[in-house]
Amino acid sequence: TQLLEQSPQFLSIQEGENLTVYCNSSSVFSSLQWYRQEPGEGPVLLVTVVTGGEVKKLKRLTFQFGDARKDSSLHITAAQPGDTGLYLCAGDKAAGNKLTFGGGTRVLVKP
Amino acid sequence: KAGVTQTPRYLIKTRGQQVTLSCSPISGHRSVSWYQQTPGQGLQFLFEYFSETQRNKGNFPGRFSGRQFSNSRSEMNVSTLELGDSALYLCASNKGGSEKLFFGSGTQLSVL
Repeated sequence: TQLLEQSPQFLSIQEGENLTVYCNSSSVFSSLQWYRQEPGEGPVLLVTVVTGGEVKKLKRLTFQFGDARKDSSLHITAAQPGDTGLYLCAGDKAAGNKLTFGGGTRVLVKP
Repeated sequence: KAGVTQTPRYLIKTRGQQVTLSCSPISGHRSVSWYQQTPGQGLQFLFEYFSETQRNKGNFPGRFSGRQFSNSRSEMNVSTLELGDSALYLCASNKGGSEKLFFGSGTQLSVL
């Protein structure tokens, strides 16, 4: 059983469309991280959100941490083929580097 | 600055054998964490080493073990391999606090 549930599991959209990925949990995390992983590579950190209600923007990507620090979302505006990849959320309970990962959302942006 | 290096990149073993995977962290990083990634279970934490000591441990059987050397390089060992151990094994490093984790490209282990 995943402590962090991501939805949807798979998303296929056309270039220029918007998309949102959700990451939900019944547990409180001290921080939540979002990663993108491409085939044959390890995950690469996109952002870390720490404060409940926090919103961070990274170019066309907007990340939000829920007020209760149990959930998060990633919104991509005007998606491009370069956004294709596996998006992973990971929760940190301030226990060193022991992260709990969600199951991932595979995003395909078609040109 | 070199990234996290994992060797070998690919490995094929048969059931019952044992395997050792290696991870060289970024220079100056003292924490090395290991994760297992499978299509069914996703990314799961195995263990973390900091300054040659295991600091955190996940919920994996004792067949999975690791160690860290004085130069921060780490190895993980899996004994008596099972088919279900087929996975991408990732290691990640940082300086030891809550700062950004850097992942290697992984070792893809196939158990036949």
